[in-house]
Amino acid sequence: EAGVAQSPRYKIIEKRQSVAFWCNPISGHATLYWYQQILGQGPKLLIQFQNNGVVDDSQLPKDRFSAERLKGVDSTLKIQPAKLEDSAVYLCASSYLISYEQYFGPGTRLTVT
Amino acid sequence: DQQVKQNSPSLSVQEGRISILNCDYTNSMFDYFLWYKKYPAEGPTFLISISSIKDKNEDGRFTVFLNKSAKHLSLHIVPSQPGDSAVYFCAASVPGANNLFFGTGTRLTVIP
Repeated sequence: EAGVAQSPRYKIIEKRQSVAFWCNPISGHATLYWYQQILGQGPKLLIQFQNNGVVDDSQLPKDRFSAERLKGVDSTLKIQPAKLEDSAVYLCASSYLISYEQYFGPGTRLTVT
Repeated sequence: DQQVKQNSPSLSVQEGRISILNCDYTNSMFDYFLWYKKYPAEGPTFLISISSIKDKNEDGRFTVFLNKSAKHLSLHIVPSQPGDSAVYFCAASVPGANNLFFGTGTRLTVIP
């Protein structure tokens, strides 16, 4: 069974630029999560989708972050404009329905200079 | 506000000995707890979990203990193996919510 796929793996941008991350969850997993992991901290949930609907986006900085999950499968997370404090690893996870046992992708390491 | 805390950033253990990783939480509403293991350049992988109605859950070499009165849980690995060297995250969730609150992680090094 293929795991959660994410791309790119690494991205370096300058502040005020925009960036997008892509995630393809495990086949059949209806729930998709985006987490932000800042160096030295644990992952923090940004947004959760159930199929193509948003379940929780209370921690998403909506003035600069946006996410969508068209057709209930792939998802993209966008940051526009980026700030220095957005430097982090962005993890995508998926689960069968709503489950505490989430399967994580390898993450995208973003560096904002 | 960090609701899940792992106060030991690192731990070194000899191969074959027991590894004990600790986690404390502040939110008494948490009812489900998980441990994730993370290797470099990979995402966290689920290891073991425990519901608040239990005080122990065992899976092979891994055992998680929950002390609700102390708001403390621990992960025991016996015997420790070099392949267990990784960062271990404790996570917790409240009833009806789907998001996990993670600790800051403990880096375990098992010395051959």
